Amino acid sequence: NAGVTQTPKFRVLKTGQSMTLLCAQDMNHEYMYWYRQDPGMGLRLIHYSVGEGTTAKGEVPDGYNVSRLKKQNFLLGLESAAPSQTSVYFCASSKTSGGAYNEQFFGPGTRLTVL
Amino acid sequence: GQQVMQIPQYQHVQEGEDFTTYCNSSTTLSNIQWYKQRPGGHPVFLIQLVKSGEVKKQKRLTFQFGEAKKNSSLHITATQTTDVGTYFCAPTASGGATNKLIFGTGTLLAVQP
Repeated sequence: NAGVTQTPKFRVLKTGQSMTLLCAQDMNHEYMYWYRQDPGMGLRLIHYSVGEGTTAKGEVPDGYNVSRLKKQNFLLGLESAAPSQTSVYFCASSKTSGGAYNEQFFGPGTRLTVL
Repeated sequence: GQQVMQIPQYQHVQEGEDFTTYCNSSTTLSNIQWYKQRPGGHPVFLIQLVKSGEVKKQKRLTFQFGEAKKNSSLHITATQTTDVGTYFCAPTASGGATNKLIFGTGTLLAVQP
């Protein structure tokens, strides 16, 4: 099992450009999440999904859009990149709650720089 | 919104010394998870605490959940260079059907050989 994979690993964009980050998981998890990590600020939730075809906003959703057309994939889009979106982006997945709390499995991250 | 404070932000120890990081919340927590992130890596799940006053051990790591379920701690006995990294506490967000986590700011541990 590959677990959670993310593409690309690195990307440099110019202000105003658009891009899509892809997250894929092979663990048949229902829940998927996108986080950004900035120095000294821990991980902040951007958007999340509790199942195929459903998405919801997290703590810092502005400037991002997401889609979950297939259960195994969760896409994060930046329509018009800004320097403030320079960050490391992590995708994660977990099983459904089912009355319990489940660990999240993280991908290796995408380091994005916006010039 | 729900906030989690983690202290210290950074700690430098000599190999063999002990280390403790603390996680504090102003609200009662349903549960709390702990993650470790090695430099340049991604967060990896360590443990989950659910019950009031719960204590769990993993080799040299001891995790505690406060009696009031508003704080938690991670203690490492006799640190090794392999313990280097950032340790995050992450309670489940209130209303936790979505398994969302609120990550603390983390404690970066440096271990000098």
